[in-house]
Amino acid sequence: EPEVTQTPSHQVTQMGQEVILRCVPISNHLYFYWYRQILGQKVEFLVSFYNNEISEKSEIFDDQFSVERPDGSNFTLKIRSTKLEDSAMYFCASRGQGANSPLHFGNGTRLTVT
Amino acid sequence: GENVEQHPSTLSVQEGDSAVIKCTYSDSASNYFPWYKQELGKGPQLIIDIRSNVGEKKDQRIAVTLNKTAKHFSLHITETQPEDSAVYFCAASKGFNKFYFGSGTKLNVKP
Repeated sequence: EPEVTQTPSHQVTQMGQEVILRCVPISNHLYFYWYRQILGQKVEFLVSFYNNEISEKSEIFDDQFSVERPDGSNFTLKIRSTKLEDSAMYFCASRGQGANSPLHFGNGTRLTVT
Repeated sequence: GENVEQHPSTLSVQEGDSAVIKCTYSDSASNYFPWYKQELGKGPQLIIDIRSNVGEKKDQRIAVTLNKTAKHFSLHITETQPEDSAVYFCAASKGFNKFYFGSGTKLNVKP
C-alpha cells in the first residue's frame, strides 16, 4: 500500500538554526498538509497546500515557517530560525482529490531544538 | 474555531471487553469526523470515519456513532485484542482542509 514517507525520523538542531523537514506524499495525491504534536498535547494543524500554493494556515504558521513543493514528489517544511518551543513531532499528510479521500499521515519527524 | 474534547485520556480493558472513547466538538458546521489509531513510532492511521449525514457506521469490530444535536461522536471497539492497544485520536473538520484533533486516548488491552 502506498504511504507517505518523512525524513529524517529525528532531527536535533540548535536554537536559531534553520531546519528543513522533508516529505514524499503519496504519488497521485493533490492535497498536502503539515501537522505538529508537542509532547503530550494535541495534534495541531499547521498548513495545507494545493495546486502549488498554501490553501490555509494556522496562527502557528508564522513568518518563520514556509512550505515548498520543489519538484513533483517532495513537500518540505522549513523553519527559518528555530526556537525551543518548536520542539515537537511534525507530521506530513496527503490526500487524493475525491470528497471521500481520507488523509494519510507519515510516521513523523521528531524535531528537538536545544 | 473548532474545539474537540476527547475522553478518557487513558483506558484499560480486559481482552474481549468493549472499549468506548467519546469526543465532543463545538462547531456545528463540522461535517466530517475521522478516527485515527497511532502506534508507537508511527503516524496516525485512519481506522474509520463518519460524515454528518450518517448517524452510525460499522466496520467489523469498530463502530462510530454521531449525535449532531449534542455535537458528540464516539468510537466503539468490541471484542478488544492486545493489538488494539494504541493511542486513538478523534478529529473534526469542515470539509477536508483543517482537521481539529482531540487530545488522544491511550488504550491498553490486557491479555
